[in-house]
Amino acid sequence: NAGVTQTPKFQVLKTGQSMTLQCAQDMNHNSMYWYRQDPGMGLRLIYYSASEGTTDKGEVPNGYNVSRLNKREFSLRLESAAPSQTSVYFCASRIQGTGELFFGEGSRLTVL
Amino acid sequence: KNEVEQSPQNLTAQEGEFITINCSYSVGISALHWLQQHPGGGIVSLFMLSSGKKKHGRLIATINIQEKHSSLHITASHPRDSAVYICAVRSGVAGTASKLTFGTGTRLQVTL
Repeated sequence: NAGVTQTPKFQVLKTGQSMTLQCAQDMNHNSMYWYRQDPGMGLRLIYYSASEGTTDKGEVPNGYNVSRLNKREFSLRLESAAPSQTSVYFCASRIQGTGELFFGEGSRLTVL
Repeated sequence: KNEVEQSPQNLTAQEGEFITINCSYSVGISALHWLQQHPGGGIVSLFMLSSGKKKHGRLIATINIQEKHSSLHITASHPRDSAVYICAVRSGVAGTASKLTFGTGTRLQVTL
């Protein structure tokens, strides 16, 4: 049982480049989330998806887009990366009933 | 003032010591999560609670809704407990539209 899988684990981009972070969960959860973690700050929500086919903005959505491809997969895209997007990104999913959270291993992104 | 405050920010303990990490919050909540993050690693959910006390192995989590305060206790601490412990509170209407706010974490180092 893999849980929540994120790829890539590390990525270095130049300003203006684009990339997609992939996330997949095998627990049949409806809700999926993308967070960013920056030094000295709590995790902040970028986008979330309550179910397949729906997505909503979180606290810090600017510069990002998401796709909920199917129930398993929720991807995060940076169309034109900026140094301010240097961060560690976490994907998470949640059990509908209990609300328990499951996180991926994180993706460390550096934008030069 | 942050909605979720953790103390202490950093904690060093010797193996075997009893450890307490505190979390105070300023909003009404439906649930509180305690999470563990090892250096360079992913985030693991330890507890989710909305009242009272939960225990899992050497870990105990308590919450006082009236005082808006939760504590995470580690009994007989071990070097493998070294990690960042994160408190997160869920506010708003229960369900996917509710908001999860994270503390900045408590960094615990347990030495031999």
